[in-house]
Amino acid sequence: GQQVMQIPQYQHVQEGEDFTTYCNSSTTLSNIQWYKQRPGGHPVFLIQLVKSGEVKKQKRLTFQFGEAKKNSSLHITATQTTDVGTYFCAGRNSGNTPLVFGKGTRLSVIA
Amino acid sequence: NAGVTQTPKFRVLKTGQSMTLLCAQDMNHEYMYWYRQDPGMGLRLIHYSVGEGTTAKGEVPDGYNVSRLKKQNFLLGLESAAPSQTSVYFCASSYLAPSTDTQYFGPGTRLTVL
Repeated sequence: GQQVMQIPQYQHVQEGEDFTTYCNSSTTLSNIQWYKQRPGGHPVFLIQLVKSGEVKKQKRLTFQFGEAKKNSSLHITATQTTDVGTYFCAGRNSGNTPLVFGKGTRLSVIA
Repeated sequence: NAGVTQTPKFRVLKTGQSMTLLCAQDMNHEYMYWYRQDPGMGLRLIHYSVGEGTTAKGEVPDGYNVSRLKKQNFLLGLESAAPSQTSVYFCASSYLAPSTDTQYFGPGTRLTVL
């Protein structure tokens, strides 16, 4: 079945450093979504990318969708302690198949 | 709007006991989902529903049953709980699929099976 691989599994950064998590699929995706889960909380939707090569920004967060629509990345500039949590990507093949979530990247920010 | 709510928040079961987890949403969403989250495993889809009266199997359906008798409710049942079902269970709902289907998650149910 469809698989979505996410790396790294964990990342520890000093406050102010940048952070990137990568998402790769074995198949072409129709869209990709990113979610954030704070410790002890539930996943919260951040953004959806649909178009090949699409780049979207939300303040310090930059999201990219690869040209082949098989990979995506989330980059955080100058991390803050409020960025702590686990970031998940989720993608689907064309059609009405459910989203498949990556295993997530847990970000720790050291003040 | 309460969004997506889950009942109960915590539960401890003994092996072989049964229980039902309730998910309710007040956003008039067609789609509802049950996930389990285990350390290092991300979110794995158990069952989902594309509308009232319909259900479908996800990635890890064994040992679970579901029902969607009302549009706003999605029930997850464990007929004979096993320690391997110790997990955090999240319910989610979405309005449209597949092109735009932001999933809204409930707060989760932490289940321990002894």
